[in-house]
Amino acid sequence: SAVISQKPSRDICQRGTSLTIQCQVDSQVTMMFWYRQQPGQSLTLIATANQGSEATYESGFVIDKFPISRPNLTFSTLTVSNMSPEDSSIYLCSVPGGQGRDWRNQPQHFGDGTRLSIL
Amino acid sequence: GQQLNQSPQSMFIQEGEDVSMNCTSSSIFNTWLWYKQDPGEGPVLLIALYKAGELTSNGRLTAQFGITRKDSFLNISASIPSDVGIYFCAGQSGGSNYKLTFGKGTLLTVNP
Repeated sequence: SAVISQKPSRDICQRGTSLTIQCQVDSQVTMMFWYRQQPGQSLTLIATANQGSEATYESGFVIDKFPISRPNLTFSTLTVSNMSPEDSSIYLCSVPGGQGRDWRNQPQHFGDGTRLSIL
Repeated sequence: GQQLNQSPQSMFIQEGEDVSMNCTSSSIFNTWLWYKQDPGEGPVLLIALYKAGELTSNGRLTAQFGITRKDSFLNISASIPSDVGIYFCAGQSGGSNYKLTFGKGTLLTVNP
């Protein structure tokens, strides 16, 4: 499966500031996904990022709060804007991976996440 | 929307014991996935199941895709301390609905 690198691995930020998280994949992928994992919780999909088009956001997530870039087939960024303590979470990117299947039917593989704490 | 019920929420077992956890859904899935998440890391794919009734093993792990397509279980045999972590099931409808639906996770603690 693809090697997925996220930066930063963790950060502590002041409320009202913004942080951009990077996700780099070692192979070209059609779609990249961004998830949020709140403390002690499961994973919730924020948005799906396709290269060359605007990201598609899930209910409860908006572009002004979580702008996403997808400049090429191996890279994406997620910005968490105007942060508040409620944004303290792990943010994960994932990509589909698997042989012999359309990407829509492939399992997703995750990076190690960015652990974000807002004071 | 689709929901997954994963149980148990947590388990405390002795090293060497077998473990079983399961997920049930109100909807049909075409793919069931099992992930493990260690502290400070992202979820790692353990087993992927693509056919109803499929039984797949990965070392000491065995998982099955339920006949009804609405459930799956994961068994871990002869547990060891490094099995500690959070196990998540995830369902995928596939095709135009490629998004994953995750269970709430099972926290496994293994006492040496």
